[in-house]
Amino acid sequence: DTGVSQDPRHKITKRGQNVTFRCDPISEHNRLYWYRQTLGQGPEFLTYFQNEAQLEKSRLLSDRFSAERPKGSFSTLEIQRTEQGDSAMYLCASSLSHGLNTEAFFGQGTRLTVV
Amino acid sequence: AQKITQTQPGMFVQEKEAVTLDCTYDTSDQSYGLFWYKQPSSGEMIFLIYQGSYDEQNATEGRYSLNFQKARKSANLVISASQLGDSAMYFCAMRRPSGGYNKLIFGAGTRLAVHP
Repeated sequence: DTGVSQDPRHKITKRGQNVTFRCDPISEHNRLYWYRQTLGQGPEFLTYFQNEAQLEKSRLLSDRFSAERPKGSFSTLEIQRTEQGDSAMYLCASSLSHGLNTEAFFGQGTRLTVV
Repeated sequence: AQKITQTQPGMFVQEKEAVTLDCTYDTSDQSYGLFWYKQPSSGEMIFLIYQGSYDEQNATEGRYSLNFQKARKSANLVISASQLGDSAMYFCAMRRPSGGYNKLIFGAGTRLAVHP
């Protein structure tokens, strides 16, 4: 068990470019979450997958954001036409069970800087 | 609105002393779960401790304990015998059954600095 891994760890991009992040969850976990964390704030929920199905999306996820989880394994988060306000840490988490006490395991995040 | 409030942006503690990090929450649900996570500078969120709303005893995990006061809607984290490696951001979070347990709602966090 190597934990949740995210790639890249850091990304600097010019405004208007597209970026894609990858998350590899813990292998047996069927639930996968994306969060965004801006400086000085706690993580904010973006979207949730159960297996390959995207079951919930936050209103924070504008039309420029799209997430996929083909075959219920790794997930990608794409941001099109990046804006400076997209600069943040993007965290991925995964979990196995479903319930109030479910522990979510987080990756180390991808830090995006839009210049 | 469902909300987590952490009123201490930063805290300092001397090594080997105990420290309490405050967390209050707001929810109309009767059933909910409360979590504390640690985020070192590496960025990864590390789970520390969990308290269910119906748990009668305060949760403990090693040097971490949760002072749960349901009527006051507070879930403070107590770290005993602080170590230099405890220096990090600490986040309180809540999960509710509404929406199918799909997300954690986080507070803004408290930065803890442990001094030798």
